[in-house]
Amino acid sequence: EDQVTQSPEALRLQEGESSSLNCSYTVSGLRGLFWYRQDPGKGPEFLFTLYSAGEEKEKERLKATLTKKESFLHITAPKPEDSATYLCAVQRGSGSRLTFGEGTQLTVNP
Amino acid sequence: GAGVSQSPSNKVTEKGKDVELRCDPISGHTALYWYRQSLGQGLEFLIYFQGNSAPDKSGLPSDRFSAERTGGSVSTLTIQRTQQEDSAVYLCASSLDRSSGYTFGSGTRLTVV
Repeated sequence: EDQVTQSPEALRLQEGESSSLNCSYTVSGLRGLFWYRQDPGKGPEFLFTLYSAGEEKEKERLKATLTKKESFLHITAPKPEDSATYLCAVQRGSGSRLTFGEGTQLTVNP
Repeated sequence: GAGVSQSPSNKVTEKGKDVELRCDPISGHTALYWYRQSLGQGLEFLIYFQGNSAPDKSGLPSDRFSAERTGGSVSTLTIQRTQQEDSAVYLCASSLDRSSGYTFGSGTRLTVV
């Protein structure tokens, strides 16, 4: 059974204080690892897809990396508008469903 | 449309009633998914459509849940004889194909009283 574990559950940062979110996964035949951002009352918003170990992708203050067992979402010099829940999900090679972790709730204080 | 549209945005229903939730995917997206998000829980997969067929409906929690998709576009999720444990946000997503990132709608918040 595919499993995704995200840590920490919640993270409070001061504006400008860089940090990383972790996503550990167990999946048979990884097809892709996805990162989403979810704001309260809204659906998840797609950020990145990573396909193979060693791959990195960047978007503004966010950088996602992937190894064979985990992915990190690095947040550099965060701003209050980066406050949201960040979700990680995996897709196995043989199917199309995404299996999601429970998310990390990030709060960035001004 | 520009995004995935879900209706209603909120639904309060009495225990035992049937409800229908609607999803309008992005035009041209052949893949459509339903997920459920309970308070403090991760997203739970319900069903996947490719065109009008559902190759994976293994996530439907009971036979009270059903879904259909017509014309390769609009999808309806029906919950019969609702129970309090059905209370959750029901999210629909679509993608161009099974390898692309999903685009989610804003969800329908279902409350069973």
